[in-house]
Amino acid sequence: SAVISQKPSRDICQRGTSLTIQCQVDSQVTMMFWYRQQPGQSLTLIATANQGSEATYESGFVIDKFPISRPNLTFSTLTVSNMSPEDSSIYLCSVVGREFPGELFFGEGSRLTVL
Amino acid sequence: EDKVVQSPLSLVVHEGDTVTLNCSYEVTNFRSLLWYKQEKKAPTFLFMLTSSGIEKKSGRLSSILDKKELFSILNITATQTGDSAVYLCAAGYSTLTFGKGTMLLVSP
Repeated sequence: SAVISQKPSRDICQRGTSLTIQCQVDSQVTMMFWYRQQPGQSLTLIATANQGSEATYESGFVIDKFPISRPNLTFSTLTVSNMSPEDSSIYLCSVVGREFPGELFFGEGSRLTVL
Repeated sequence: EDKVVQSPLSLVVHEGDTVTLNCSYEVTNFRSLLWYKQEKKAPTFLFMLTSSGIEKKSGRLSSILDKKELFSILNITATQTGDSAVYLCAAGYSTLTFGKGTMLLVSP
C-alpha cells in the first residue's frame, strides 16, 4: 500500500484567489491522479500527473485553471486558479497500487470552500 | 459518454441486516470494476472485479460482476454501525468513471 499525505486538509478561500494543494507519497510512483468531488457528486478525474512531462487533462479541465506540477516520482501539486464558489469541492490525490486500473490509494483529500 | 449508476442512492438499515448495493456501468473501454468505501474524505479500496461470475469476498463483504448485463453488486451481511459510509463503484480501463455512491447508514 501507499501512504499519501495531502495538504492543506481544508481551507476557506476568497473568490478570485488561487490555492495550491500538495501531495506527497511515501514511495516512488509512476502515475499520480487528481480527482475532484463536488458536494453530492461522484469523483471526477481532473488530470493525470506525469513525471517529466505535462499533465494529461480530462475533458472539461484545462491547464490554465488547474496547473499541475510533478517534479519527481513522490510529489505533485495541483493549483486551483482564480477560484469561484463552483470550485468548492474535495480535491483528492491518488496513486495506483499493484495494478492499473485497480487498487487506487487516495490521499485524505483537501476540502476547499470558496466564498 | 461513460456512465456508472449506483442504486439506491441512500439506505438506512438496522444492525445485523444484510444489504445489497447495485452498480451498473456503460463505459467505452472496460477492464475492471472497483468498489470503494468512503467514510470521511479518502475512499478506501474494497474489491476489484475483472471476470464475470467470480465472487470476491472479504469478511462480511462480497461482490460479483456480470459483464453480460454490465452490472455488479456489493453485499454486506450482518451489518455493523462501522459499515456506515458511502460506497463508490467505478469502472473503466485506463481511467475510471465513478458512480455517485450509495450512502449507507446502519443504525444500532
